[in-house]
Amino acid sequence: NAGVTQTPKFQVLKTGQSMTLQCAQDMNHEYMSWYRQDPGMGLRLIHYSVGAGITDQGEVPNGYNVSRSTTEDFPLRLLSAAPSQTSVYFCASSYIGGFSYNEQFFGPGTRLTVL
Amino acid sequence: AQTVTQSQPEMSVQEAETVTLSCTYDTSESDYYLFWYKQPPSRQMILVIRQEAYKQQNATENRFSVNFQKAAKSFSLKISDSQLGDAAMYFCAYRSAIWTGNTPLVFGKGTRLSVIA
Repeated sequence: NAGVTQTPKFQVLKTGQSMTLQCAQDMNHEYMSWYRQDPGMGLRLIHYSVGAGITDQGEVPNGYNVSRSTTEDFPLRLLSAAPSQTSVYFCASSYIGGFSYNEQFFGPGTRLTVL
Repeated sequence: AQTVTQSQPEMSVQEAETVTLSCTYDTSESDYYLFWYKQPPSRQMILVIRQEAYKQQNATENRFSVNFQKAAKSFSLKISDSQLGDAAMYFCAYRSAIWTGNTPLVFGKGTRLSVIA
């Protein structure tokens, strides 16, 4: 199993540009989520999904869109990048319910810089 | 809403010594999970140890153990026989055991641990 994969690992954007961060998992997890990590702030939830076709907002959703057309993939879209979106982005997944629910698996992260 | 507080932004420990990282949390729930994640310079989030709130026994994983005080809402991590590879950022995290649809991990701000040779 590859686990949770993210691409790209690094990205530099100019203000106003758009891009999509890719996330995929091969563990058949229902729950997938995106976090951003900023210095001194820990990780904060952006958006999450509990299954194909079902998404919802987390703590810091502004400026980001998500969709989930398959169980495996959960892309994060920046519509018009702003310097405030400079951060490290993590995708994570887990089962829903049951004993295995209590562990989330993280991807390796994407470092995004917006100039 | 739940909150997690790590009051020590930075800690240091001599190699082979023991260090304890503090974490407190606030919740009105009785059933939940607590975690310690390690983030080395590679950025990868690595699960170190987990604790189910309904279990009174403290979790242990090799050199890592926790002191879980449910009434005090405290969840500290003890690292014994510290090694250079333990140097990392450590995050305490909370997750509700009750599935409501929006059940994320709630993270503290982290403690940066340095290990001195």
